[in-house]
Amino acid sequence: TQLLEQSPQFLSIQEGENLTVYCNSSSVFSSLQWYRQEPGEGPVLLVTVVTGGEVKKLKRLTFQFGDARKDSSLHITAAQPGDTGLYLCAVMKTSYDKVIFGPGTSLSVIP
Amino acid sequence: DSGVTQTPKHLITATGQRVTLRCSPRSGDLSVYWYQQSLDQGLQFLIQYYNGEERAKGNILERFSAQQFPDLHSELNLSSLELGDSALYFCASRTAHGTDTQYFGPGTRLTVL
Repeated sequence: TQLLEQSPQFLSIQEGENLTVYCNSSSVFSSLQWYRQEPGEGPVLLVTVVTGGEVKKLKRLTFQFGDARKDSSLHITAAQPGDTGLYLCAVMKTSYDKVIFGPGTSLSVIP
Repeated sequence: DSGVTQTPKHLITATGQRVTLRCSPRSGDLSVYWYQQSLDQGLQFLIQYYNGEERAKGNILERFSAQQFPDLHSELNLSSLELGDSALYFCASRTAHGTDTQYFGPGTRLTVL
């Protein structure tokens, strides 16, 4: 059983469309991170959310941490081909300094 | 460029062999993490070192071992390789305090034939 679940697993959309991807768990976390990984490269941190209900914006990307701190969403407005990649959510189990990643959502934005 | 370097970029070897993957963290970062990424398992945490000492262990096989040297670079040793060990291996580094940000290297793609 995965600690983090992400949906959808795959998403293919046209340039200019909006989309939302989700990260869910039955556990409560003190913080949650979103990464983007492009083909052939390592993941790059996009944002860390720490407060239940928190909303953070990064240009066309909007991140929300659930009120109960068990889930998070990433919304992309007017998607562009440069947004193509694997979006991973992750949590850090601070007592052991371990980072657990979700399985990811693979996004393809078609020009 | 994250500032984390990994060598080699690609490695092709045969079953039963042993390989060493190398990672140099960002300047000043004391923590080094190793991850394995495969299509069926996703990105899996293997092990973490902090200033030369093992700090946390994840899903690391007994055939695998790692160490961090006094200059803070780290090596991941994989022995008795099996076909299923074929994967991308990432190293990440983190500043000691005050941040949860990990900076990932470009990875080493290991192919076991």
